[in-house]
Amino acid sequence: NAGVTQTPKFQVLKTGQSMTLQCAQDMNHNSMYWYRQDPGMGLRLIYYSASEGTTDKGEVPNGYNVSRLNKREFSLRLESAAPSQTSVYFCASSENSRGKNIQYFGAGTRLSVL
Amino acid sequence: QKEVEQNSGPLSVPEGAIASLNCTYSDRGSQSFFWYRQYSGKSPELIMFIYSNGDKEDGRFTAQLNKASQYVSLLIRDSQPSDSATYLCAVIFRAAGNKLTFGGGTRVLVKP
Repeated sequence: NAGVTQTPKFQVLKTGQSMTLQCAQDMNHNSMYWYRQDPGMGLRLIYYSASEGTTDKGEVPNGYNVSRLNKREFSLRLESAAPSQTSVYFCASSENSRGKNIQYFGAGTRLSVL
Repeated sequence: QKEVEQNSGPLSVPEGAIASLNCTYSDRGSQSFFWYRQYSGKSPELIMFIYSNGDKEDGRFTAQLNKASQYVSLLIRDSQPSDSATYLCAVIFRAAGNKLTFGGGTRVLVKP
C-alpha cells in the first residue's frame, strides 16, 4: 500500500519553463490537495479537489493550475515558472468525512527555479 | 484573516522530560484540530486529532483542547531524541469546508 505517491522528488527549472507535478493516491480518498512549504511558513494550500471532477483555489493559487484526472490522480502545473515558486510541494489526500478530514501526505517534490 | 499561531522555537527539552507545545487559533467556531510531526526533509505525519474540549491521550502524546480560550496544546511525555522534529498544528475553520489551515510549526530539540 503506497499511500500518496508524488513524482518527481526533485526538479530544477529555469525561469519561464513549465512542468507538471504528479500525485496519485491508492486509498480511495475523495479529496486531494496541493500545498507548498517555505521555511518558517508552515504549509499553504495552493489548490484542492473535494471530489472527482471538482477543483477549487486555496490560499496561494496564482501561477498554478491543477487537473483532477480521476479519483486517484491530481496534478499541479506551473505554466511559466518563477523563482518565487522555489519551494517544497506536498500532495495530500483525505476521505473527506465532514469536519474530520485526516490528511495523508506524499513525500514531497523539491523544486528550484533559477 | 483566519490564523493559526505557534511559537517557532526551538523548544529545547532534556531527554525524559515533558515537552509542551501550544497553538492558538483565530476562529472560535473551529471544530477540528490536528497535530502533525515533520522530520527534517520529510513529509508531515499525523500524530493526534481532537474534536472535543478536554484531553485526549495516545501513548506518550496528549492533546488538550480549550475552545473557550481558543488554544490547543500537545504534551510529549518522556521525550526521546527521536521526538526531535517540527510539530505542526492544523485547524479546520468554520465555513472552510474540509480545508486545513496550518501554523508555522514549533521545532523541538530533545537533548540526551
